[in-house]
Amino acid sequence: QITLKESGPTLVKPTQTLTVTCSFSGFSLNTNGVGVGWIRQPPGKALEWLALIYWDDDRRYSPSLKTRLTITKDTSKNQVALTMTTMDPEDTARYYCVHKEVAAPFDFWGQGILVTVSS
Amino acid sequence: EIVLTQSPGTLSLSPGERATLSCRASRSLSNDYLAWYQQKPGQTPRLLIYGASRRATGIPDRFSGSGSGTDFTLTISRLEPEDFALYSCQQYGRSPYTFGQGTKLEIK
Repeated sequence: QITLKESGPTLVKPTQTLTVTCSFSGFSLNTNGVGVGWIRQPPGKALEWLALIYWDDDRRYSPSLKTRLTITKDTSKNQVALTMTTMDPEDTARYYCVHKEVAAPFDFWGQGILVTVSS
Repeated sequence: EIVLTQSPGTLSLSPGERATLSCRASRSLSNDYLAWYQQKPGQTPRLLIYGASRRATGIPDRFSGSGSGTDFTLTISRLEPEDFALYSCQQYGRSPYTFGQGTKLEIK
């Protein structure tokens, strides 16, 4: 049974750096083809894919946010972290962690963490 | 980057009616790597359809997907009250794995 859960701060100030962590179970990021990614959704708005890391450390980023994002994995802890620099109120959103395999959709989602950017 | 355009933005129908949602890609999707997600208010998105036409585990057969290349359709044959939600398409064949802007299916 695959589960994912996001953790991190729920309130950050403008210009600060956000780090959110995904803790998962039911699969391994050492397994060929497996990846974990991040998707966000501002209140009342559309889903936006942010980043994804694969088992072989291949990292993919949204082109519009690439300069601000870093995704890392810790396979020993079954965790993936996403860092986003220079946070702005427009980055207020629910941030979801997702499971994906090569040539497959995002099939398992965490419950998400709502991050508010405000002074 | 592949841009996905969904239409209509909002669809107002009654229970029992048939719903047809569209998703158009800015260029052809390899292997038809197109998925549809359903999201009810306050809930996490749920995978409905992948590979343009394959139902995910546990999805009722009133949901069907069709299309290929650049034009895709999600059809709900007979709307149940629990089907009124936000529907988003996504392409997962090529990074960046873009989403459409969503279609809100609301009760008329």
